[in-house]
Amino acid sequence: EVQLVESGGGLVQPGGSLRLSCVASGFTFGISWMGWVRQAPGKGLEWVANINGDESQTTYVDSLKGRFTVSRDNAKNSLYLQMNSLRADDTAVYYCARWGVNAGLDFWGQGTLVTVSS
Amino acid sequence: QSALTQPPSASGSPGQSVAISCTGTGSDVGAYNYVSWYQQHPGKAPKLMIYEVTKRPSGVPDRFSGSKSGNTASLTVSGLQAEDEADYYCSSNAGGHTYVFGTGTKVTVL
Repeated sequence: EVQLVESGGGLVQPGGSLRLSCVASGFTFGISWMGWVRQAPGKGLEWVANINGDESQTTYVDSLKGRFTVSRDNAKNSLYLQMNSLRADDTAVYYCARWGVNAGLDFWGQGTLVTVSS
Repeated sequence: QSALTQPPSASGSPGQSVAISCTGTGSDVGAYNYVSWYQQHPGKAPKLMIYEVTKRPSGVPDRFSGSKSGNTASLTVSGLQAEDEADYYCSSNAGGHTYVFGTGTKVTVL
């Protein structure tokens, strides 16, 4: 059974940093493209970043380039999202998800809430 | 990377059909056959319903179908059921392993 479990969310002050983690199980993590998607309270989905299996390719939504960094540790079946210079509008539930070979996000975690507030 | 445009809401009675449009540009929806649709119930993670414009993952009822014409993709839900009441989002490849989601459509079963 495929499982994705995010952690690391919480309350952070504006300008602060946070690192989200996502532990994967039930599939061959090391060959899978993975992604982060976020959803602000009461708002729609926003694609954040992707990373390929060997970490040689990463892509980001233009608006977050330079502040967010996606990475992975295949030995630990883990995906990460380092978020710096956080702003109030970064407040959202952050989901990790697997890109299937069909170019759709076929498995999602339950999400972790990040709240940026003083 | 502007969000794809979807109608805010759509509705239908049980047994009827509802269609949701997803309008992008020649750089995303119009350029690639990598349009996906996701269903999201309140407080839950999204679920993949359609990929590559028309294909259904295993376990998704054939009441759900997808299509595309030019820069606009569509999701049709036939034979509406109460459990289909949810938010629906389209997504498209936008080149170079970047993606964009739609603005979302709330489907109400009357």
